[in-house]
Amino acid sequence: EDQVTQSPEALRLQEGESSSLNCSYTVSGLRGLFWYRQDPGKGPEFLFTLYSAGEEKEKERLKATLTKKESFLHITAPKPEDSATYLCAVQDTGGFKTIFGAGTRLFVKA
Amino acid sequence: EAQVTQNPRYLITVTGKKLTVTCSQNMNHEYMSWYRQDPGLGLRQIYYSMNVEVTDKGDVPEGYKVSRKEKRNFPLILESPSPNQTSLYFCASSKLERVTPYEQYFGPGTRLTVT
Repeated sequence: EDQVTQSPEALRLQEGESSSLNCSYTVSGLRGLFWYRQDPGKGPEFLFTLYSAGEEKEKERLKATLTKKESFLHITAPKPEDSATYLCAVQDTGGFKTIFGAGTRLFVKA
Repeated sequence: EAQVTQNPRYLITVTGKKLTVTCSQNMNHEYMSWYRQDPGLGLRQIYYSMNVEVTDKGDVPEGYKVSRKEKRNFPLILESPSPNQTSLYFCASSKLERVTPYEQYFGPGTRLTVT
C-alpha cells in the first residue's frame, strides 16, 4: 500500500538558519512526487513536481530533491514569511490516486 | 483568473440531512478531486475523476458520493451526514496528459460541521 511519511512534524528555526524537511514514500512505482505549501485556513499551493530519482528543483530559498525512497525540501536562510505547513504527496503508476503526508509545520522566528 | 471555487465555504448541519458541496474550475482541467483534512491526519483523498463520467474512489470514500456530468463541475454529496464527517474539505483540479501527473490547484476549502 502506498504510504507517505513526513518528518519532523514541526520545526522551529531562527531566521537565516537553514534546514531540511523529509518525505519518505513507499509506492509500487512512482508517477510523480509533489511538494505543496499550506498557509492557515487556505488551500495548499503547489511548489514542485519531481518525477525521477536524482532530480532537483529550486525556487527562491527552497530546493527539492528526490531519491528512490525519499524527498527532501531544503530551506536556505529562511525568513518569517516561509512559516507554513509543507505537504508532500505522491501518485503511483498503478492509478491516479494522490496520497499526502501529514505535513511539517515550519515556524521561522525573526 | 484561473481558479477553483467551492460553495459553501462554511456549513453547519444536522445528522442525516443531505447536503451538496459544489466545486467548479475554469481551467479546462481533466482531473478533479475531493479531499478532507483533519488534524494530525493530513489530506485524505475521498474521490477523484479523470474526466466527464469517469470517477474512482480515493482512500476514504465511505459516506460520500460524487458525479462528473460536466468537465468544470465536481460536486460532493453527503446523503446522510454524520458527526465523523465534520472536517475541512478541499476540491482540487489539474490537467492530465496521458500518464503525466501535474500539480493540483486547490479551492479555498469548505468547513463542515455536523451536529
